[in-house]
Amino acid sequence: DGGITQSPKYLFRKEGQNVTLSCEQNLNHDAMYWYRQDPGQGLRLIYYSQIVNDFQKGDIAEGYSVSREKKESFPLTVTSAQKNPTAFYLCASSIRTGTYNEKLLFGSGTQLSVL
Amino acid sequence: KNEVEQSPQNLTAQEGEFITINCSYSVGISALHWLQQHPGGGIVSLFMLSSGKKKHGRLIATINIQEKHSSLHITASHPRDSAVYICAVRSNTGNQFYFGTGTSLTVIP
Repeated sequence: DGGITQSPKYLFRKEGQNVTLSCEQNLNHDAMYWYRQDPGQGLRLIYYSQIVNDFQKGDIAEGYSVSREKKESFPLTVTSAQKNPTAFYLCASSIRTGTYNEKLLFGSGTQLSVL
Repeated sequence: KNEVEQSPQNLTAQEGEFITINCSYSVGISALHWLQQHPGGGIVSLFMLSSGKKKHGRLIATINIQEKHSSLHITASHPRDSAVYICAVRSNTGNQFYFGTGTSLTVIP
């Protein structure tokens, strides 16, 4: 069965360190997204990508970077510039199957904490 | 200002009760999604709606495009329905989704 795989499930970051969260999908979806979830808040968009080698900043892109070298992969790097990185990070992918029809799937998430 | 508002924020029900969660949105949309998130887990898509009504087992979702409102109903609620339910809309002017803050449902045996 196809799906989205996020790893690791838990990640700890030391001060000044960059860390990379992995997101892989075998659904042949064109669009991929990274969201940040904080308690009591809705999901906030960090970055999204519609096609390979192209991506756009979301609402809270500062301190994060992404790449989309392959359709299946959309890794997120949390850089040392992100001063408050502790959060639950969710990767998602979507595909439109008609004008008013689409599928939206999420990974199981990565909990990032600061040491 | 949130583009998507959900109510109630928290909901506690006795097993067997009929439950309704509401979602209102302020942007033009091409699709609305109802999502379920269990504690510590990822998010599962329950429904995608662009019009009318859909039913899956004990879950029913409706949408009124003119009123910019959707409801998720759970009939004969069960403790395993305890989760956070999130409403998300796909803007019809871009590639973004907007998310509500979620409704935390607890069903007591």
